[in-house]
Amino acid sequence: GAGVSQTPSNKVTEKGKYVELRCDPISGHTALYWYRQSLGQGPEFLIYFQGTGAADDSGLPNDRFFAVRPEGSVSTLKIQRTERGDSAVYLCASSEGGETQYFGPGTRLLVL
Amino acid sequence: GENVEQHPSTLSVQEGDSAVIKCTYSDSASNYFPWYKQELGKRPQLIIDIRSNVGEKKDQRIAVTLNKTAKHFSLHITETQPEDSAVYFCAASRRNTGNQFYFGTGTSLTVIP
Repeated sequence: GAGVSQTPSNKVTEKGKYVELRCDPISGHTALYWYRQSLGQGPEFLIYFQGTGAADDSGLPNDRFFAVRPEGSVSTLKIQRTERGDSAVYLCASSEGGETQYFGPGTRLLVL
Repeated sequence: GENVEQHPSTLSVQEGDSAVIKCTYSDSASNYFPWYKQELGKRPQLIIDIRSNVGEKKDQRIAVTLNKTAKHFSLHITETQPEDSAVYFCAASRRNTGNQFYFGTGTSLTVIP
């Protein structure tokens, strides 16, 4: 079946602009996670949804970052007033409520 | 919060030899430890995992061991092949309270033919 998908695959923006990154989880998966992976590093936890609600947003670096999952399926990560330090690969993962998380291919964000 | 350390950062082995990657964690409440393989430009893929109530798990050429007392776990790959070349990440989580993964910094494994 279809795996986790993310769009766009690449996003180039200018400092100060607003961006939205989309994640389509595996159908039926109730848990959805966002991670950020900087070059040469492991993924860093950002936020976790169980259904429609953000169960844990403790990993969001500051209030410029926000994520939603209004219908309990697709999620959007929103970054306001982007900074060069936001450049990274943003990974989404979904789980059916167990242990295994299935990752998407990521969105590579470059802030110029 | 949880802190996961991973060593070595790079590892080169000859084809057919074994490779061992080690991780330590800080949160004694962590109870789930997955290992992911990530090829260049690709998504992380789960290769093996272990729960805290188990000391060892094996799947063909791959095995993971866990020492809860010392809070460390290791990945063992035997009879390495060139296609094993990738970056490997360990992670730790509390699977009954959200299961957010805390990853190590990765090990770049190169298998020399």
